[in-house]
Amino acid sequence: GPKVLQIPSHQIIDMGQMVTLNCDPVSNHLYFYWYKQILGQQMEFLVNFYNGKVMEKSKLFKDQFSVERPDGSYFTLKIQPTALEDSAVYFCASSSGGDTLYFGEGSRLIVV
Amino acid sequence: QQKVQQSPESLSVPEGGMASLNCTSSDRNFQYFWWYRQHSGEGPKALMSIFSDGDKKEGRFTAHLNKASLHVSLHIRDSQPSDSALYFCAASASSGSWQLIFGSGTQLTVMP
Repeated sequence: GPKVLQIPSHQIIDMGQMVTLNCDPVSNHLYFYWYKQILGQQMEFLVNFYNGKVMEKSKLFKDQFSVERPDGSYFTLKIQPTALEDSAVYFCASSSGGDTLYFGEGSRLIVV
Repeated sequence: QQKVQQSPESLSVPEGGMASLNCTSSDRNFQYFWWYRQHSGEGPKALMSIFSDGDKKEGRFTAHLNKASLHVSLHIRDSQPSDSALYFCAASASSGSWQLIFGSGTQLTVMP
C-alpha cells in the first residue's frame, strides 16, 4: 500500500537544541499532518498543512514548532528550542483529501 | 472532556472469538468516524471508515454507526493473534478527515 517515510526513526537530543523531523509523504498526496503520541497512548493532532500553508493547529503546536515543505521536498516538523515534554513519537501522515490518512512509522524523539 | 471516548481500555478474547470495541463522540460536529489499528512499533493503519447509519462490513470487520447517539462500534469476527494491537476510533467534522481526532484507544489481545 501507499507508504509514508519518516527520517530519523530515533533521535536523542539535548534540551534547548533544535530538531528537524522529516517526512516523505505518499506521492501525489496534497494534505499533510503531524501527530504526537506519548507512551503508545493517544494520538494527538498537532497540525495540518495544505498548499504551502498551515490550515489548522492544536494547542499542542507551540510557538517553538514550525512546519514547511519547501519545493515539494520533505514535509518537516522543526522544534526550536526543544523541551523535555517534547519527548514523544511524532507521526507524519498524508492524504489525497479523501477519507483516509496514511501514517509513517514514526520518529521517536528523546529530549534529555 | 475528550471529544472521542473509547471503551474498554483493554480487551482479551480467545482466538476465533468475537471482539467488540466501542466509541462515542461528545461533539455533534464530529460525526464522521474511522477505525485505525496500530501494531507495536508501527504507525496507525486505517481499517475502515463509516459515515452513514447502520453496518459496514469489510471481511471479518464490521462497523456499526448510530448517528443519533454518535456511537460507533467495531466487531471483529474470528479474531486472530495477528489482530492483537491498539485500536483507535477517530472522528472528524467532515468526510475529508481534515482534523482527525483520535480516541485514547483499546488494547486488544487475542489469546492463542
